[in-house]
Order: sequence, then C-alpha cells, then structure tokens
Amino acid sequence: GENVEQHPSTLSVQEGDSAVIKCTYSDSASNYFPWYKQELGKRPQLIIDIRSNVGEKKDQRIAVTLNKTAKHFSLHITETQPEDSAVYFCAAGGWGNNDMRFGAGTRLTVKP
Amino acid sequence: DVKVTQSSRYLVKRTGEKVFLECVQDMDHENMFWYRQDPGLGLRLIYFSYDVKMKEKGDIPEGYSVSREKKERFSLILESASTNQTSMYLCASTPYSTDTQYFGPGTRLTVL
Repeated sequence: GENVEQHPSTLSVQEGDSAVIKCTYSDSASNYFPWYKQELGKRPQLIIDIRSNVGEKKDQRIAVTLNKTAKHFSLHITETQPEDSAVYFCAAGGWGNNDMRFGAGTRLTVKP
Repeated sequence: DVKVTQSSRYLVKRTGEKVFLECVQDMDHENMFWYRQDPGLGLRLIYFSYDVKMKEKGDIPEGYSVSREKKERFSLILESASTNQTSMYLCASTPYSTDTQYFGPGTRLTVL
C-alpha cells in the first residue's frame, strides 16, 4: 500500500516568515494529494489539494507543489500568522479515495 | 454543508469490554473511513467502506471490526478493548466522485 513520509515533524517560524512542509509518497498510482489543517481539539479540515495533472496550485497565502517524477509534494505558507499555528497533515491517494494514506503530521508554531 | 457526527466525544471503557463507536454522515457519501490518531504517528487507517455492507481493511485492522448496514452510518467495533487501543478515533466520509475527506469531531477513547 501507499507510504507517506512527512517532514519536519515540528516547525517554528516567526510571524511573517514562510513555512514549508514536505511529503514523499511511494505509490506511483497516487493522483490526489490533499493537505489538512488540524487546530487543537478540532477535526482535520482540508485547506488545499492538488491532482497529478497539475504541478502547482495557489490559494492566497497557501500553495502546494507536486513533483510526480520524484514523488514528492510540498505545502508553502507565506506571510505566516499566529492563527496558522496547527498540525498539518499531507495525504496521498488514488482515484475514489479507496487507498488514502496520511503523513505523520507537522506541528507548526508561528511566534508573534 | 457536510456534516459528519460521532456518537461520543469522550469515552472511558475497561479492558475486555466491547466498544461501539458510531459515525453518521448526512451527505449521501459512498465512502466512509475510520482512523486512529496517535502523537507522532498521524492518522492511520483502520477500515474503510465504499458501499453498504462492503468493507476493506486499512493499515491497522487488528483488534477492530466494522459494520455498515446503512449508507449514512459506519460503526467501529472493538470486540475486547485493550489499553493499547486508547487513542483518538476519527471518522471521515467522501463522495464517490470527488476525493475530499470530511472528518467527524473525533472520539477520545480511554481504555483502563
């Protein structure tokens, strides 16, 4: 099955700086790569996703890049704010989500 | 707005008890999932179901079983709870035609 590795496990940045979280996956059939944000005590929620026919996607301060050849994808958060502090999970899966696997998570702390 | 609910937010059980965790979604989603979330390990897939009465094992099915008698409801069963099953359990659902997973609020289970 799919194996997803996520780095770093913790990340601390100063407010206004950028944060980058990286994930690698093993199954070349994976074609859907979502990112979830989980605030303390709350459920994970989708913040951005990318499919294998796209190399980059951006939504305001958040962007995701995908390198299918190298089997890695990254989350980029620019101009970080304290409310960006949370645990972020990457995931990789095939069509229909029958085989979605998650990374171990990155705890991001944005210091004011 | 998609709504995924779980029967309990907190649950305390004793070793050897049979435990039922229930998940209900109100959006007619085909696929439903059960994960457990542990620090440093992220979200690990226990079981998933892509249709009524259908189930597939995830990465860590041992000690668990599931039931999907109705499309909207997916139950996770611990036949004989053990202390190593103390964890946060998250249910998720996704529509057949898209891949975004919608999570429930989670059930924090403690087995004494």
